[in-house]
Amino acid sequence: DADVTQTPRNRITKTGKRIMLECSQTKGHDRMYWYRQDPGLGLRLIYYSFDVKDINKGEISDGYSVSRQAQAKFSLSLESAIPNQTALYFCATSDELTGDEQYFGPGTRLTVT
Amino acid sequence: SQQGEEDPQALSIQEGENATMNCSYKTSINNLQWYRQNSGRGLVHLILIRSNEREKHSGRLRVTLDTSKKSSSLLITASRAADTASYFCATVSSGTYKYIFGTGTRLKVLA
Repeated sequence: DADVTQTPRNRITKTGKRIMLECSQTKGHDRMYWYRQDPGLGLRLIYYSFDVKDINKGEISDGYSVSRQAQAKFSLSLESAIPNQTALYFCATSDELTGDEQYFGPGTRLTVT
Repeated sequence: SQQGEEDPQALSIQEGENATMNCSYKTSINNLQWYRQNSGRGLVHLILIRSNEREKHSGRLRVTLDTSKKSSSLLITASRAADTASYFCATVSSGTYKYIFGTGTRLKVLA
């Protein structure tokens, strides 16, 4: 089984709808991240969390919110989706003890019409 | 804004040739990492080099880091068609654990 899983893998939604993307990990890592990737661009950090009670804004947090329900779960919400939030979304984990490398989920392809 | 900028944006080479891609960044870093992404999939960690290191090897990969120039290079030797992917550098700034990714180099290895 994959160490970092994301659901759903693909989602098409309409403008104004609320949508939640979920991420689960079995690596036992404390740190979790949400990124978005737009075509031809690198990843941009949306939010990150270093433990269950810690939430931090990244580079592009406007229009997004997150919840760290447990060490293993980190969800990303779009309260009112808009077309320019159409992108590929990735969840990632890392752990200081394992040397800072990040482990990525397979991604969620979100389309807002 | 992106801290890491990769150069070139795209690279096409023949199988067996070496591929070199470069990354520049703007601020002090704790470490710099290189990742690989196959089309539309999650990124996979390749190699990490710390700010006090100048060169690191892993299999066919060689990474260099020049902190005075705020730049790094990734060399893939004896490339294979399976190396076709996008390659990203990511910097972790000193004092934080925020990862800043570059815009990537798209490598195509022709068989």
